[in-house]
Amino acid sequence: EAGVAQSPRYKIIEKRQSVAFWCNPISGHATLYWYQQILGQGPKLLIQFQNNGVVDDSQLPKDRFSAERLKGVDSTLKIQPAKLEDSAVYLCATQTQGSGNTIYFGEGSWLTVV
Amino acid sequence: QQPVQSPQAVILREGEDAVINCSSSKALYSVHWYRQKHGEAPVFLMILLKGGEQKGHEKISASFNEKKQQSSLYLTASQLSYSGTYFCGTEKTSYDKVIFGPGTSLSVIP
Repeated sequence: EAGVAQSPRYKIIEKRQSVAFWCNPISGHATLYWYQQILGQGPKLLIQFQNNGVVDDSQLPKDRFSAERLKGVDSTLKIQPAKLEDSAVYLCATQTQGSGNTIYFGEGSWLTVV
Repeated sequence: QQPVQSPQAVILREGEDAVINCSSSKALYSVHWYRQKHGEAPVFLMILLKGGEQKGHEKISASFNEKKQQSSLYLTASQLSYSGTYFCGTEKTSYDKVIFGPGTSLSVIP
């Protein structure tokens, strides 16, 4: 079974520039999460999708971050304009529908804003 | 609300045991445990569900006390490969989002 795919793995941008991250979930996984992990901290939830609908985006800084999940499969997370404090690893994770099921993480997209 | 983990960090010698705790101020439906090595994605260890039994995986096991909204991860006879950061993730209800704690750094030395 293929895992969660993310790209790009690494990105360096200047502040005020934009960046987009892509995630391809495990086939059949209805729930998709984007987490932000700053070095030395736990993953912080940004947004949760159920199929192609947003379940929770209360922690997403909507003035600069946006995310979508077209057709309930692939998802993209965009940051525009980026700030220095956005430097982090962006983890995509997927889960079969319902609670109590394993979350599978992608390898993450490492963002450095200079 | 983010769960609380303790201790923040622990150093063990090979063969020693450790306990990592995770607690929440809210009633929990499930607790997830993950281990993350530097530069890698978190890897699933186990899930404990409300009303479920204590689970084990080789020398790593966990318990879930629903009344106290607490879970503990037990690592026995630690190995070098156990080094990493351990995160607990909690769900308050079914179909809820998973919120992760700040992590516990575990270092096993020879």
